[in-house]
Amino acid sequence: GAVVSQHPSWVICKSGTSVKIECRSLDFQATTMFWYRQFPKQSLMLMATSNEGSKATYEQGVEKDKFLINHASLTLSTLTVTSAHPEDSSFYICSARLGTSGALGEQFFGPGTRLTVL
Amino acid sequence: GDSVTQMEGPVTLSEEAFLTINCTYTATGYPSLFWYVQYPGEGLQLLLKATKADDKGSNKGFEATYRKETTSFHLEKGSVQVSDSAVYFCALSVLTGGFKTIFGAGTRLFVKA
Repeated sequence: GAVVSQHPSWVICKSGTSVKIECRSLDFQATTMFWYRQFPKQSLMLMATSNEGSKATYEQGVEKDKFLINHASLTLSTLTVTSAHPEDSSFYICSARLGTSGALGEQFFGPGTRLTVL
Repeated sequence: GDSVTQMEGPVTLSEEAFLTINCTYTATGYPSLFWYVQYPGEGLQLLLKATKADDKGSNKGFEATYRKETTSFHLEKGSVQVSDSAVYFCALSVLTGGFKTIFGAGTRLFVKA
């Protein structure tokens, strides 16, 4: 099946620094990628939808200047957490959509990146 | 709006017991339905899916049937194993205002030997 990778799998950073997380579709081209945030023992919260070559669409309440998303190619999307603070500590998961037609295109999820901000 | 409601956990079962995790949905369009599983420290994996009414998705002994009349997609397995311990998410995908997937809150399953 389709494989999505994320890098790094975990990262610890100091408050005030920026962290970049990469999401790659390894064996297919993904015109759309999604970024989710998951708090402990909770469901996934969609942060933004990333389309190749265009600006990301952010969900209500997500700061676009804090969570910068770039989808430079059909196989790579990046999420940069700028000026990270301890409350940004979370599990970030990306997914890529296989196919573009209708609701039949299922998503394939990356393994997630655990971010800890000290 | 579109939403997914699934039974609260945790669910604790003994090995070889029968599993049911209830899931109901509301959707303005005609959604595709999914069950995803998340093992500790990992991302989500697609467990099974169904794209139209009366479709039955199945994988690894798990089954779920798309019931349009009751707007449900309950997950079942006849005999659980310790290795099935994980969090299970019911989800729907729609094309309303662009492709979107909505997840239920997740149900944690513990299987005891």
